Amino acid sequence: AQSVAQPEDQVNVAEGNPLTVKCTYSVSGNPYLFWYVQYPNRGLQFLLKYITGDNLVKGSYGFEAEFNKSQTSFHLKKPSALVSDSALYFCAVRDGNTDKLIFGTGTRLQVFP
Amino acid sequence: KAGVTQTPRYLIKTRGQQVTLSCSPISGHRSVSWYQQTPGQGLQFLFEYFSETQRNKGNFPGRFSGRQFSNSRSEMNVSTLELGDSALYLCASSGGQGGSGELFFGEGSRLTVL
Repeated sequence: AQSVAQPEDQVNVAEGNPLTVKCTYSVSGNPYLFWYVQYPNRGLQFLLKYITGDNLVKGSYGFEAEFNKSQTSFHLKKPSALVSDSALYFCAVRDGNTDKLIFGTGTRLQVFP
Repeated sequence: KAGVTQTPRYLIKTRGQQVTLSCSPISGHRSVSWYQQTPGQGLQFLFEYFSETQRNKGNFPGRFSGRQFSNSRSEMNVSTLELGDSALYLCASSGGQGGSGELFFGEGSRLTVL
């Protein structure tokens, strides 16, 4: 069965420093991978996705993600964190059999001034 | 283009009551998915509708049901509410192509069961 794991419940980083939010996946076949962000009391907003092609995917708000097939990882990155990036981040994978989007448990990113 | 609209945004019910939540997808989107979000369980898939047909269903009891209308608007219903049903219910729409297509989420309906 397809699944994603976000090993960190929370990531703390100082403003201006680079940030990484980790995600690993388990799929059969080609992975369709997504990152979403959720601000307090809001729905999820799409950040970026990997379908095929370049392993480095660029998305909204300066975020990017690196697809690594050998490590089955899809980590979210940003070169310089902002306080306004503080939010809940979800990694997701499309289940190739059912087409459902399966979400990880989420990682809370806290950026300190 | 208007986004996904969910109503009501907040509601309070008591145990045993039933509730209906509504979702209007982005214009032209034919697929609507519902998720339950709780602090303990994260995002749990409820069901997905495409062209008025249920295409996928999650592992929820029969008290949870849904439907989709010909204009792609969707409703979900929870009967005989339990305290554990308190959650943020999120609706998402997509073009229905699955695979590489991302979901577009509404702001959610926050249900509190007392």
